[in-house]
Amino acid sequence: DTGVSQDPRHKITKRGQNVTFRCDPISEHNRLYWYRQTLGQGPEFLTYFQNEAQLEKSRLLSDRFSAERPKGSFSTLEIQRTEQGDSAMYLCASSPTTGGFEKLFFGSGTQLSVL
Amino acid sequence: EDKVVQSPLSLVVHEGDTVTLNCSYEVTNFRSLLWYKQEKKAPTFLFMLTSSGIEKKSGRLSSILDKKELFSILNITATQTGDSAIYLCAVDDTNAGKSTFGDGTTLTVKP
Repeated sequence: DTGVSQDPRHKITKRGQNVTFRCDPISEHNRLYWYRQTLGQGPEFLTYFQNEAQLEKSRLLSDRFSAERPKGSFSTLEIQRTEQGDSAMYLCASSPTTGGFEKLFFGSGTQLSVL
Repeated sequence: EDKVVQSPLSLVVHEGDTVTLNCSYEVTNFRSLLWYKQEKKAPTFLFMLTSSGIEKKSGRLSSILDKKELFSILNITATQTGDSAIYLCAVDDTNAGKSTFGDGTTLTVKP
């Protein structure tokens, strides 16, 4: 069990650029989540996958955000035409689905700064 | 929409003190309430509570849920500097696949 890994750890970009983050979940976990966290706030749900199917996407998420999980393994989160308001910590988490009661295993996050 | 409110927002204590962190929630179809500790980056799981009145305990930490009054508390006894962290409360809704988090309580334990 190597835990949830995220890459890169830090990303600095200029407004208007596209960025892509990667998450590798714990291998036997079939659920994968993306959350966003800003200073002083709790994690805010963005989207989640059950295997390769994207089951829910936050209505707060603009069309500039897209996520994929090909083959139900790793996932990518892309932000197009970044804005300064996108600056945040992007957290990935995974969980097994056993009996409907789940705890989340989080990665260390990708800190995005949009200049 | 599910909602979680934590209090206090921040707390400063000295080593050896006992602290109580509060979490109140609104959820359409309650499934579980979870506590996490966030020290630097990744939140780590502490407790999952599904039934009222049953205390979960792990060392100096304990938590209990009141489903009638819609709240939970997290107690930490004999605090240590290593307990300094953000403590997050989250609720799971039966009809949703996600956890809804509160904004956390930042605990600082001074030596």
